[in-house]
Amino acid sequence: DSGVTQTPKHLITATGQRVTLRCSPRSGDLSVYWYQQSLDQGLQFLIQYYNGEERAKGNILERFSAQQFPDLHSELNLSSLELGDSALYFCASSVTPDPDTEAFFGQGTRLTVV
Amino acid sequence: GENVEQHPSTLSVQEGDSAVIKCTYSDSASNYFPWYKQELGKRPQLIIDIRSNVGEKKDQRIAVTLNKTAKHFSLHITETQPEDSAVYFCAARISSGSARQLTFGSGTQLTVLP
Repeated sequence: DSGVTQTPKHLITATGQRVTLRCSPRSGDLSVYWYQQSLDQGLQFLIQYYNGEERAKGNILERFSAQQFPDLHSELNLSSLELGDSALYFCASSVTPDPDTEAFFGQGTRLTVV
Repeated sequence: GENVEQHPSTLSVQEGDSAVIKCTYSDSASNYFPWYKQELGKRPQLIIDIRSNVGEKKDQRIAVTLNKTAKHFSLHITETQPEDSAVYFCAARISSGSARQLTFGSGTQLTVLP
């Protein structure tokens, strides 16, 4: 157990819908990262938050947004869902804002868009 | 843009043999290079990392080498065992706008044949 908690584990929804994925980082970690892993693909960086503020942005679609709350949990909002958004979404956390320390991954949320 | 290239995409070895996975990166300012192992259906987990001030690091059967001049780094697994079968991802800190983010390679599916 990495200490990073993601909910839900599985999510099935229809095209055009909106979903929210939740991540609770390890105790003491201020930095949260979101990654998308499509079938047979690598980990695509989406966005990073540190202590409530957006720190870095990757290949995140405009239909996607995220935020980090005062209690440091983070949510990834995916809207106007398309079939191609089906993927495993991972959250990771680390102590520092710079990605040169170990990032601990959650178990992921498997999103299926039908 | 800045990226990380990983080869091979699949690798099969006999139990007891060695496995080598190679990655190249484009950002000459990168200074942190972790390797993650992802077993089927599970989260990525850090197995070893190396920083730019050293050329090699070992941890039991696993070693990583770094050539900063050539901008490539490699993962070496000796005396492979069936439980080493997994997808391995290399990563490097890559510049992205005003921040540096951890960018992953596309992964290598390692299969250790008994």
